[in-house]
Amino acid sequence: GIQVEQSPPDLILQEGANSTLRCNFSDSVNNLQWFHQNPWGQLINLFYIPSGTKQNGRLSATTVATERYSLLYISSSQTTDSGVYFCAVPLNTGFQKLVFGTGTRLLVSP
Amino acid sequence: EPEVTQTPSHQVTQMGQEVILRCVPISNHLYFYWYRQILGQKVEFLVSFYNNEISEKSEIFDDQFSVERPDGSNFTLKIRSTKLEDSAMYFCAATRDSNQPQHFGDGTRLSIL
Repeated sequence: GIQVEQSPPDLILQEGANSTLRCNFSDSVNNLQWFHQNPWGQLINLFYIPSGTKQNGRLSATTVATERYSLLYISSSQTTDSGVYFCAVPLNTGFQKLVFGTGTRLLVSP
Repeated sequence: EPEVTQTPSHQVTQMGQEVILRCVPISNHLYFYWYRQILGQKVEFLVSFYNNEISEKSEIFDDQFSVERPDGSNFTLKIRSTKLEDSAMYFCAATRDSNQPQHFGDGTRLSIL
């Protein structure tokens, strides 16, 4: 099956710093989702980004489907950005179940 | 209105007991999913459901698990006889179209004692 790897596994930032999280996938996909799991365990949908670039406030994401990776950019990080960031891609069969990446655990300190 | 609502938010149950986790997607969603996340691990697919039947299930989804949509709005996951290793966060997800983003509920944290 498709493999989804994320890097780095852990990241510690000072408030105000910028960061880039990476998601690599082993097979072609027709869409990709980024999630933020907050300290309460909720999965917050950040982006649905099959290809190209999208921006939402301080966050933006780029997917280069032909090269099988996606990047999530966090600018001017805040303590509330802390948590785990997951990318997920659908298995291109049947009903498109999502395969989640290994996650990047982000800690933003004040 | 949230796309997907899950109840309860936290369930504590004795090993061997049955549990039912509930999910209410908004009405125009047609595809439904359950995922599980053991503490500290990644999110794993359990089962997908479309047109009132299971469309796909993972090897985790054994005979102890079942899903149904009894009344056209609730979507439930039942674990018949819980084990310690069933302790996890369970997420329900739904979408209008299998090529559209999946919307996740806030999850149910299941603790088996």
